[in-house]
Amino acid sequence: LAKTTQPISMDSYEGQEVNITCSHNNIATNDYITWYQQFPSQGPRFIIQGYKTKVTNEVASLFIPADRKSSTLSLPRVSLSDTAVYYCLVGVSGGFKTIFGAGTRLFVKA
Amino acid sequence: SAVISQKPSRDICQRGTSLTIQCQVDSQVTMMFWYRQQPGQSLTLIATANQGSEATYESGFVIDKFPISRPNLTFSTLTVSNMSPEDSSIYLCSVEDPGGAGGTGELFFGEGSRLTVL
Repeated sequence: LAKTTQPISMDSYEGQEVNITCSHNNIATNDYITWYQQFPSQGPRFIIQGYKTKVTNEVASLFIPADRKSSTLSLPRVSLSDTAVYYCLVGVSGGFKTIFGAGTRLFVKA
Repeated sequence: SAVISQKPSRDICQRGTSLTIQCQVDSQVTMMFWYRQQPGQSLTLIATANQGSEATYESGFVIDKFPISRPNLTFSTLTVSNMSPEDSSIYLCSVEDPGGAGGTGELFFGEGSRLTVL
């Protein structure tokens, strides 16, 4: 299992772009990178997934360099409601158990 | 996608008792996962439950303490046995949708069951 390392916490202000970087130095060839968001009293929710280069959806962008040893989740123009814990996960599907790291606690201030 | 319902959403339990948490999925899934999330902490995988076979437990979790049932492809239960205050946590049921983003599965979670053991 590829281990991931993320900052424990980050602070931001409304309207700013937030970039959360995750390190996964021993990522395997078949591994995908997936980010989840968790609000208090809720289960985690899928945000975005990628294999290489850049992926963008209506919520976020995911930047993955060529060596894939890290990835950056970019949240454009955050709002107070983006305050949550963000988890970076690395792995494959097919019933492979998913192990969560410590996550990054993002605080968005007014 | 998958919609997961967990019961109970929360409960307060007495030390030494047992509580069974139910997880219902709106579609058939091969594997279901049970996680524990202690206050302020990340999720810890307890076990993986396949229909028709015994659950596979992670290190630090045993069947006697956390028996799991998986009677069909849409339902599972997790029992927390002989509870102590250290078992106070949120317990989450999860399933993987292999038809997600195309490449690897997307996990869907229930809202969780918050247990407080006095």
